[in-house]
Amino acid sequence: GQQLNQSPQSMFIQEGEDVSMNCTSSSIFNTWLWYKQDPGEGPVLLIALYKAGELTSNGRLTAQFGITRKDSFLNISASIPSDVGIYFCAGPSRSNYQLIWGAGTKLIIKP
Amino acid sequence: NAGVTQTPKFQVLKTGQSMTLQCAQDMNHEYMSWYRQDPGMGLRLIHYSVGAGITDQGEVPNGYNVSRSTTEDFPLRLLSAAPSQTSVYFCASSPQGFQPQHFGDGTRLSIL
Repeated sequence: GQQLNQSPQSMFIQEGEDVSMNCTSSSIFNTWLWYKQDPGEGPVLLIALYKAGELTSNGRLTAQFGITRKDSFLNISASIPSDVGIYFCAGPSRSNYQLIWGAGTKLIIKP
Repeated sequence: NAGVTQTPKFQVLKTGQSMTLQCAQDMNHEYMSWYRQDPGMGLRLIHYSVGAGITDQGEVPNGYNVSRSTTEDFPLRLLSAAPSQTSVYFCASSPQGFQPQHFGDGTRLSIL
């Protein structure tokens, strides 16, 4: 079936560093979604991508829809403590009735 | 502006007990879904609904029942709780299934 592979699984970063993470699949996706989950809360949508090659920003966050439609990337510039959490990628299944989810990238800021 | 509301926020059950997790949304969304999230893992779909009166199974439906009698509500029933069902449960909704979903804050369920 369709699967999304996220990497890295976790990241330890210093405040102020830039962060990059990605999501790949062997299947083509027509939409890529990036969510963030803060501890103790539900995931919140950060960025939605609908077109191959699309580059979209939301403040310090930038996401790209890969031109092969099999991958997507999320970058965070100048990380701050409130960036900690788990970042998920997701995309609609072929049936369009379900979202397929990656396992998440956990972002941890070094003290 | 409530969005998706889940109750209760926390629950402890004994093995074999049954209970219903409540989910309500006020955005008139057709699509609603239930996920479970286990430590270190992503979200796994339990059941979903594309509209009132229509439900279907997701990836991990065993041990759970759902119904959708109204657009607003989508309760999840645990028939006979087992320790393997200890998890955090999230309800989500969207206008249609392929669109970005809005999540509730979750129900943390422990089964002893």
